[in-house]
Amino acid sequence: GQSLEQPSEVTAVEGAIVQINCTYQTSGFYGLSWYQQHDGGAPTFLSYNALDGLEETGRFSSFLSRSDSYGYLLLQELQMKDSASYFCAVRNTGGFKTIFGAGTRLFVKA
Amino acid sequence: GAVVSQHPSRVICKSGTSVKIECRSLDFQATTMFWYRQFPKQSLMLMATSNEGSKATYEQGVEKDKFLINHASLTLSTLTVTSAHPEDSSFYICSARLTVMNTEAFFGQGTRLTVV
Repeated sequence: GQSLEQPSEVTAVEGAIVQINCTYQTSGFYGLSWYQQHDGGAPTFLSYNALDGLEETGRFSSFLSRSDSYGYLLLQELQMKDSASYFCAVRNTGGFKTIFGAGTRLFVKA
Repeated sequence: GAVVSQHPSRVICKSGTSVKIECRSLDFQATTMFWYRQFPKQSLMLMATSNEGSKATYEQGVEKDKFLINHASLTLSTLTVTSAHPEDSSFYICSARLTVMNTEAFFGQGTRLTVV
């Protein structure tokens, strides 16, 4: 089976940096993705790591360590609009289905 | 990015009736689409994989007779919640990828179903 663990909530202030961790257990692994979802909206894709290391996309970066079955999403220069839920997700062997973690609600305060 | 359109965005129905939700890929062909269900402040739970021209593949614990999926064309998949009950009230979301191997999944806007 597959399971992903991430913190349920994180609070940070505007302009700060926040890291959202994700550990996973999968029967096969085809990459770790991150999605953002605002309340009432659809998830939107943020980043994807198939190999170990850091991927940077603007204010967002994502890291993966396959040997540790661990990854994180790093958000820099936080803005109020970054308040949302963030999901890590894995694709199973063959990369066909995407399974989501429980999500981390990020609250950004002024 | 690619666009996936889901309709309706909100629906209220009476217990015992059926509701159909449509998911369309607007600017690409999707041989495969995915249907998720999400309860408030919870994760997206994969319900089924919709395959164009063939039967859907349901996840364990999902009643296929309850949640009917039809993928009749390369741009349209439908989810019908049959004989709806209040416990079926939820947020239903579809997604698709440009290709099976593509990393990014595009999601529809979601459908908020309320069964009264």
